[in-house]
Formats: sequence, structure tokens, C-alpha cells
Amino acid sequence: NAGVTQTPKFRVLKTGQSMTLLCAQDMNHEYMYWYRQDPGMGLRLIHYSVGEGTTAKGEVPDGYNVSRLKKQNFLLGLESAAPSQTSVYFCASSYNALTSGGVQETQYFGPGTRLLVL
Amino acid sequence: KQEVTQIPAALSVPEGENLVLNCSFTDSAIYNLQWFRQDPGKGLTSLLLIQSSQREQTSGRLNASLDKSSGRSTLYIAASQPGDSATYLCAVKSTGGFKTIFGAGTRLFVKA
Repeated sequence: NAGVTQTPKFRVLKTGQSMTLLCAQDMNHEYMYWYRQDPGMGLRLIHYSVGEGTTAKGEVPDGYNVSRLKKQNFLLGLESAAPSQTSVYFCASSYNALTSGGVQETQYFGPGTRLLVL
Repeated sequence: KQEVTQIPAALSVPEGENLVLNCSFTDSAIYNLQWFRQDPGKGLTSLLLIQSSQREQTSGRLNASLDKSSGRSTLYIAASQPGDSATYLCAVKSTGGFKTIFGAGTRLFVKA
């Protein structure tokens, strides 16, 4: 059980180049998320998905596209990279569990992808 | 719009000290609040999750409390150890949506 994995771990792009970040989870989770983390700003939600074939915009979606063709995979694409997209990107997945305290949702995070856009 | 603030931004304590990390949020209509730990260059690890109907959660030396009316949560770490050194993030999920808002984190350093 690998949990949440991300590919690649590190990438350097030139302005205008495109790339795709891959997130995979083997926990059969319905929900998946892409965040970016910048110094002093915490994590910000880029896009998310509530199930296979569905995606939705988060707080900072501009410049990114996503796809969820398979339940276990969530892809984040940069069509034309800009220096402002230099960041650490985290993928997360979650599911709703019914407990004595009600419905609980815990997010599980991948190790991150460090992206530098020159 | 939900905003999450964590104070202090950084904290250094001697080993063995009990400490409290603070998290405040502006909208009390929350679904849950989660505390995470992040080690340098690593992803986030969930420590404790408090549902909106709960007041606190405990795991080992960690205790998290939630006061929705005042928009505050605290993470209490007992008998701190050098291995506790990390950044601790607070995250709030509001009702009616799938978006989780994170604080910027508190960087903790426990000196041996």
C-alpha cells in the first residue's frame, strides 16, 4: 500500500514550456486534490475532484488544468509555465468515514513535487 | 471568506517543555479542523482531526481543542522532544463545500 505518490519529485521548466504532474493513490479514495505551497502562505487549493470523470476549481485555478480519467489518478497540467508557478505542488486524497463522532474526512498527502520555472 | 491564521510563525523551546500552538479562523461555520505535521522537504501527515461537533481530540502527547464560537483551536504538545521539531499546520474545512483552507503554519524547534 503506497498511499499517495507523485511524479516527478523535481522539475525545472523554462517559461512557456508545458508539463503534467501525476498523482496516484491506491486507497480507493473518491476525493482528490491539488495544492500549491508557497513560503509564508500555507497550502492553496488549485483544483479538486469528487470522483472519476469530475473536476472543479479551487482557490487558484488559473494557468492549470486537471483530469481524472481513472479513479486512482489525478493529473495536473501546466499549459504554458510562468515563473509565478514556481512552487511545491502537493496532491492529496480522502474519503468520508462514518464514525461515532459523525462523518469524518481525513486527507492523505503525497510527498510533493518541486517545480522551478525559469 | 474563511481565513486561517497561526501564531506564532516560529517557536523554539527546550526539550521537555509543554507547549501550545494556536490557530484562529474567521468563519465559525466549519465542518472540521485538522492539524498536520510537515517535516522539511516532505508531505503533510495528519495528526488530529476534530469534527465541528467535538471539543477536543487526543493522540499520545498531543491534544487538540476546538472552540467554534471564538474561532480558535489549540494544539497542545506535552513533554516536547527534539523529534517534534517540524512545521505544524492547521486546516479548516467549511460547511457546504470541499475546500480546505490552511494556515501558514508554525515552525517548531525543540532544543536538546
